[in-house]
Amino acid sequence: GEQVEQRPPHLSVREGDSAVITCTYTDPNSYYFFWYKQEPGASLQLLMKVFSSTEINEGQGFTVLLNKKDKRLSLNLTAAHPGDSAAYFCAVSAICNTGYQNFYFGKGTSLTVIP
Amino acid sequence: GPKVLQIPSHQIIDMGQMVTLNCDPVSNHLYFYWYKQILGQQMEFLVNFYNGKVMEKSKLFKDQFSVERPDGSYFTLKIQPTALEDSAVYFCASSPRRGDYAEQFFGPGTRLTVL
Repeated sequence: GEQVEQRPPHLSVREGDSAVITCTYTDPNSYYFFWYKQEPGASLQLLMKVFSSTEINEGQGFTVLLNKKDKRLSLNLTAAHPGDSAAYFCAVSAICNTGYQNFYFGKGTSLTVIP
Repeated sequence: GPKVLQIPSHQIIDMGQMVTLNCDPVSNHLYFYWYKQILGQQMEFLVNFYNGKVMEKSKLFKDQFSVERPDGSYFTLKIQPTALEDSAVYFCASSPRRGDYAEQFFGPGTRLTVL
């Protein structure tokens, strides 16, 4: 089945610096990719979902890059601020033979932004 | 935005006892999921549920596990009897439709500790 590796497990950056979190996956048939943010004690909140045909996706204060050749997905936070401190999870969507979507998650990255 | 609620947030029980974890999904959603996350590890898929039936389950979904959603109330995960290795955070998710791009909305998790 799908294997998703996420790095780094912990990341500390200064306010205003960029932060990069990367996931690699194994199933070349994976089509949909998600980044979630989780603040302590809260639910996972969707940051962005990307479809495999789009390599660069921009959100507010971040960019998601997809490299299908390398099976690599990255989340780049530009100019991080303390409110970005949270756990971030990537998820890769695979369709089972029944047609149902299952998510395969990375282990998460704990990001700390130092003021 | 839409919220998934989980009750309780923490549960401590003795090994061998039964436990029921409750999920209040987004009101118009039709597909429901449980995930298990052991501390420091990946979130892993347990089961998905639609129209009163388990559609798919992983090998983590042991015979001691069961799910139901009687009369549109809580979507529950029952473990009977519990084992030490069941200690984890359990996340519930719901989505409005099946499909490749359907976003799953997550609850904040229930931390289960089996002593």
